[in-house]
Amino acid sequence: GAVVSQHPSWVICKSGTSVKIECRSLDFQATTMFWYRQFPKQSLMLMATSNEGSKATYEQGVEKDKFLINHASLTLSTLTVTSAHPEDSSFYICSARFIAEAFFGQGTRLTVV
Amino acid sequence: SQQGEEDPQALSIQEGENATMNCSYKTSINNLQWYRQNSGRGLVHLILIRSNEREKHSGRLRVTLDTSKKSSSLLITASRAADTASYFCATGPYYGGATNKLIFGTGTLLAVQP
Repeated sequence: GAVVSQHPSWVICKSGTSVKIECRSLDFQATTMFWYRQFPKQSLMLMATSNEGSKATYEQGVEKDKFLINHASLTLSTLTVTSAHPEDSSFYICSARFIAEAFFGQGTRLTVV
Repeated sequence: SQQGEEDPQALSIQEGENATMNCSYKTSINNLQWYRQNSGRGLVHLILIRSNEREKHSGRLRVTLDTSKKSSSLLITASRAADTASYFCATGPYYGGATNKLIFGTGTLLAVQP
């Protein structure tokens, strides 16, 4: 199957700093990638759809200036959490679709202290 | 919210027993997918069932789909301790395509006791 790699797996940062998370499709090209957020023991909530070469589409209630998405190539999308605060601590997961199936990165555990 | 619901929220069974999880969704779909997530990890795709299918099997997994009730079920037979994980259903409103986002259900946490 197709492989999606997410980096880093976990990160701890200080409140007020920015954190960048990378999502790469390793063996296929993905014009569209998706970013999800997951709180402990809860489901995945779609944050935004990342489109290669154009602006991301954000879901209702997601601050686009807070969660910056860049999809500069067909294999890489980045999510930057700007001016992170403790309430941004969460598990962030990206995915990309290949044919009819969605493949997920291994997730990034963000802890803001 | 478009998010679907799953029940039960949590299920604890003994090894060898069968586990059944149910998923209800809100929008019209062309397919429904089930995923598994081990604690703190990414998701693994288990099975996809199309709207014109009523039942599908894959190894110890059996999925049913009732589009009139907007519901699906996942049955894991002869469960093993290694099946312990969270299970999510996910729907996309349109068939195929690289741009179609998935909406996830609330998930069922399955614990299989050895």
